[in-house]
Amino acid sequence: AQSVSQHNHHVILSEAASLELGCNYSYGGTVNLFWYVQYPGQHLQLLLKYFSGDPLVKGIKGFEAEFIKSKFSFNLRKPSVQWSDTAEYFCAVLIRDDKIIFGKGTRLHILP
Amino acid sequence: DGGITQSPKYLFRKEGQNVTLSCEQNLNHDAMYWYRQDPGQGLRLIYYSQIVNDFQKGDIAEGYSVSREKKESFPLTVTSAQKNPTAFYLCASSKSGVRIPNTEAFFGQGTRLTVV
Repeated sequence: AQSVSQHNHHVILSEAASLELGCNYSYGGTVNLFWYVQYPGQHLQLLLKYFSGDPLVKGIKGFEAEFIKSKFSFNLRKPSVQWSDTAEYFCAVLIRDDKIIFGKGTRLHILP
Repeated sequence: DGGITQSPKYLFRKEGQNVTLSCEQNLNHDAMYWYRQDPGQGLRLIYYSQIVNDFQKGDIAEGYSVSREKKESFPLTVTSAQKNPTAFYLCASSKSGVRIPNTEAFFGQGTRLTVV
């Protein structure tokens, strides 16, 4: 069955630390890949997406992600986190028939 | 403004009663989705629909039903057969197609259902 795995369920970092959140998916066909963020009390927002072309994609608020097809991975990175990045982050994949599958999410807590 | 509207924001129901959650979008999107969000479980797909009058089961469809009579609307009914219905329900929509640059899921604000 198709699935999305996020390796870290809860991450705690200090401000200015670098961030990398892992995401792997299991599906052999063509995919679109996404990272969504949910800030406390707010609805889900798109951070960035990959559909084709350059495997390194840049999103809002200084986030970027790299698609490595051979590893079925789409890891999210940010060189220097801020307190305002405290949120829950979800990796998602769009596969055939418009099915979109989400991972279980990673709660990121930034210490001021 | 274009967007997705879910109503109501909070819903209380007695055990054994069916309840229908509303989802409307004016984004002219073909695909619509229902997810259930529980702490530590992420978003789990209940049902999704690519086009009007067609829908597919997601990973946790048991105890739920949907209809897609209009492009703009995708209501979800939580039936009495759903063993653990108390949860936060999210509706989303997207333009169809993998490899389409502007394909992404747009989400509503969610409905928190509590069954007592």
